[in-house]
Amino acid sequence: KNEVEQSPQNLTAQEGEFITINCSYSVGISALHWLQQHPGGGIVSLFMLSSGKKKHGRLIATINIQEKHSSLHITASHPRDSAVYICAAPSYQLTFGKGTKLSVIP
Amino acid sequence: NAGVTQTPKFRILKIGQSMTLQCTQDMNHNYMYWYRQDPGMGLKLIYYSVGAGITDKGEVPNGYNVSRSTTEDFPLRLELAAPSQTSVYFCASSYLSTNEQFFGPGTRLTVL
Repeated sequence: KNEVEQSPQNLTAQEGEFITINCSYSVGISALHWLQQHPGGGIVSLFMLSSGKKKHGRLIATINIQEKHSSLHITASHPRDSAVYICAAPSYQLTFGKGTKLSVIP
Repeated sequence: NAGVTQTPKFRILKIGQSMTLQCTQDMNHNYMYWYRQDPGMGLKLIYYSVGAGITDKGEVPNGYNVSRSTTEDFPLRLELAAPSQTSVYFCASSYLSTNEQFFGPGTRLTVL
């Protein structure tokens, strides 16, 4: 089973700050998932990446397969980015991290 | 497309009661999943299905049952509800196991 660790658990930022959330996993994988859980509870998939970097708007995800580590960056953070960000790594099924709760203050 | 829909949104059960959580997807996905999310914990897989008629246990299957008679529907049955089953339940689907998963809005269940 893949062990997935996220840091930090909680993060408070001022609007406009650059944010980084980290994810480490224990077993080699084909692709890592980043998800966003809104304050209302809904979960959406942000990225699936197997190498390098992916960008979607102000969100950037990177992965280092050799080091078993991924980061999610948010540039020019905004209060609407406040959510829980979850990474997940597959073994024979997805193993989810506990999530990073981000609060962006105006 | 409605995506993944779940009913009900909220439910309160008494200990020992039974209920079925409904999940439907209209994306013709092969894979469907049931997860539970407890406060401060990551999502845990209860059961999954790789296609109609095929289901398998996940990490925390005890106290639950599933069936998959059609591609669209994947109901989760709770028999003899217990307080430990108080949680938020998410259904998800994907075309293949390696594709991104699409999540339903969740069902918040309380067992008293």
